[in-house]
Amino acid sequence: GDSVTQMEGPVTLSEEAFLTINCTYTATGYPSLFWYVQYPGEGLQLLLKATKADDKGSNKGFEATYRKETTSFHLEKGSVQVSDSAVYFCALNFGQGGSEKLVFGKGTKLTVNP
Amino acid sequence: AAGVIQSPRHLIKEKRETATLKCYPIPRHDTVYWYQQGPGQDPQFLISFYEKMQSDKGSIPDRFSAQQFSDYHSELNMSSLELGDSALYFCASSAPTGYTEAFFGQGTRLTVV
Repeated sequence: GDSVTQMEGPVTLSEEAFLTINCTYTATGYPSLFWYVQYPGEGLQLLLKATKADDKGSNKGFEATYRKETTSFHLEKGSVQVSDSAVYFCALNFGQGGSEKLVFGKGTKLTVNP
Repeated sequence: AAGVIQSPRHLIKEKRETATLKCYPIPRHDTVYWYQQGPGQDPQFLISFYEKMQSDKGSIPDRFSAQQFSDYHSELNMSSLELGDSALYFCASSAPTGYTEAFFGQGTRLTVV
């Protein structure tokens, strides 16, 4: 079945460090890809998305590019802040509207120290 | 902008009791999803509804049932609660157009004691 594999955490960085969180997927067909972020005690928020190969999603300084050849959607940020500390989930669906559930990776906890 | 509303935010129940969680999707969203997130775990899909009909079913125990009503809100009913049901339960909704992301509510934290 469809699945998402994320790099295991936790990840601890200093402020202004470069961030990469790896995400690869297995799916039949061409899914839409997402990164969700979960701050402590809160729900999941969509961070960015890409719906087709070579699309780049970006938001709040985070970027991820949909790589069909490597079935990857790695999350990057050039300079992290303490406020970026959260759990990040990579996810996919086939996004045809009406019932296409999200399949999540296990999540990667990021802690950014001042 | 309106978001997905879940109620209650917190719920404490005893073993073998029943709980009902409610979800109010974003206006004009016709699809609702329920997810269960255990401590330190990724969200696990339970069930979804599209236009008031069950559209997909995941790892939902037989003790749980859910439905979507005519106003598109959804309720997750959980009976014979067990300690292992303690988790954060998320509802999400999505719009009827293609390639749409799901928008999540803040979740209901259920604690079974």
